[in-house]
Amino acid sequence: DAKTTQPNSMESNEEEPVHLPCNHSTISGTDYIHWYRQLPSQGPEYVIHGLTSNVNNRMASLAIAEDRKSSTLILHRATLRDAAVYYCILRDVDSSNTGKLIFGQGTTLQVKP
Amino acid sequence: KAGVTQTPRYLIKTRGQQVTLSCSPISGHRSVSWYQQTPGQGLQFLFEYFSETQRNKGNFPGRFSGRQFSNSRSEMNVSTLELGDSALYLCACNPGQNTGELFFGEGSRLTVL
Repeated sequence: DAKTTQPNSMESNEEEPVHLPCNHSTISGTDYIHWYRQLPSQGPEYVIHGLTSNVNNRMASLAIAEDRKSSTLILHRATLRDAAVYYCILRDVDSSNTGKLIFGQGTTLQVKP
Repeated sequence: KAGVTQTPRYLIKTRGQQVTLSCSPISGHRSVSWYQQTPGQGLQFLFEYFSETQRNKGNFPGRFSGRQFSNSRSEMNVSTLELGDSALYLCACNPGQNTGELFFGEGSRLTVL
C-alpha cells in the first residue's frame, strides 16, 4: 500500500478554518484517499473520501491536488469537538469494500477556545 | 440505528492467560475487522472476516485468532497473553459493498499484568 505523510500535530483556534495536509507522492491511479478521525476515548470515525475531484460533506471538505500527490482535509469552522487525531489513508479500489485499513501516525489536532 | 458493540469494554488479565473479545456489528454489515491500538505501534490491522470466512490477515502471530458467526457477530481470541498485548482492541464493520466507510466500535481495553 502506498504511504502517506502527515504533520504530527497542528493547532487551531475555535471557529476558524483548519487545513490538514497529507502527502502521498507514490499514490497509484486506483487509490482512493480516505480520512478518518479518532476522538479521545473513541474508535475512529469516517470523515470523507475521494478519488480525483474535490469532495464535500457535512463534516468536511477534501481538496485533492491535480497530480493527486497531496490532499488537504478542510474543517470550515473548527469546534472543540473537532480535537482529534486525523488519519489520511490510501485504499486501492479493489480493496475499498474490505475492512482493511493501513493507518499511519496521523495528525493530532488541538483546538483552542 | 444501533452501532458497533464491543464487549467487554475493560478487562485485566495476567501473563499466560487467554482472552476472548466480542463484537456485534451493525445489522446487515457482513464484514467485521479487528484492530490493535497501542501507543507505540498505533492502529494495526489484525484480520477481517466476511461471511464467516477470514478474508484478510495482518502481520500478527498465531496467538491472535478470530471467528465469525452466521449472524455476523465476531470474536477474537488471544492465547498465552504477553505484557505487550496490552492494548485497545477495536472492531470495525462495513456492509461489504463498495462504500468506502468503516464503522468502529469503542473498543475493548485489555491490560495484561
